[in-house]
Amino acid sequence: LAKTTQPISMDSYEGQEVNITCSHNNIATNDYITWYQQFPSQGPRFIIQGYKTKVTNEVASLFIPADRKSSTLSLPRVSLSDTAVYYCLVGARYSSASKIIFGSGTRLSIRP
Amino acid sequence: GAGVSQTPSNKVTEKGKYVELRCDPISGHTALYWYRQSLGQGPEFLIYFQGTGAADDSGLPNDRFFAVRPEGSVSTLKIQRTERGDSAMYLCASSLNDILAGGGNEQFFGPGTRLTVL
Repeated sequence: LAKTTQPISMDSYEGQEVNITCSHNNIATNDYITWYQQFPSQGPRFIIQGYKTKVTNEVASLFIPADRKSSTLSLPRVSLSDTAVYYCLVGARYSSASKIIFGSGTRLSIRP
Repeated sequence: GAGVSQTPSNKVTEKGKYVELRCDPISGHTALYWYRQSLGQGPEFLIYFQGTGAADDSGLPNDRFFAVRPEGSVSTLKIQRTERGDSAMYLCASSLNDILAGGGNEQFFGPGTRLTVL
């Protein structure tokens, strides 16, 4: 199982772009990279998933370099409501034994 | 559409008692996961079902914990002889996990059951 490393916490201000980087040096060939967001007292919520290069949706962008040993979640123009914990996970997209390791995540705090 | 639901939302019990936590996954999702989350920590994997069978139960901490999914839909996490250390938020998630249907392992989480063992 590929282990991930993220910063414990980050601070930013409303309207700024926030980039959270995750290291996954032992990522396997068939592993995808997935990011989740969690607000207090709620279950995590899927944000974005990718395999290589760049993926963009209405919420965020995910940048993955060619060696895939790291990935960066980019949140454009954050607001106070983006204050949450963000988790980076790696694992096979289709698997009959998908044990998922969340780690401690990155606690993002957005200030006015 | 309906998301993942979990009942009860809160459960307070006494040490040594037996508890059952229920999860209703999204209809049609073949994969179901149970996690435990303590304050300030990420979700800790407990068990994963693919259909009715437990494909991976390596996260269950000991034999006091057991989970079933008899018809491949609703799942129940059962904890015997509860201990104070079992107090946590218990999260359930489901995913389509079906390459033929075009859905991967993106997990949809329920709101959780907060278990407090006194």
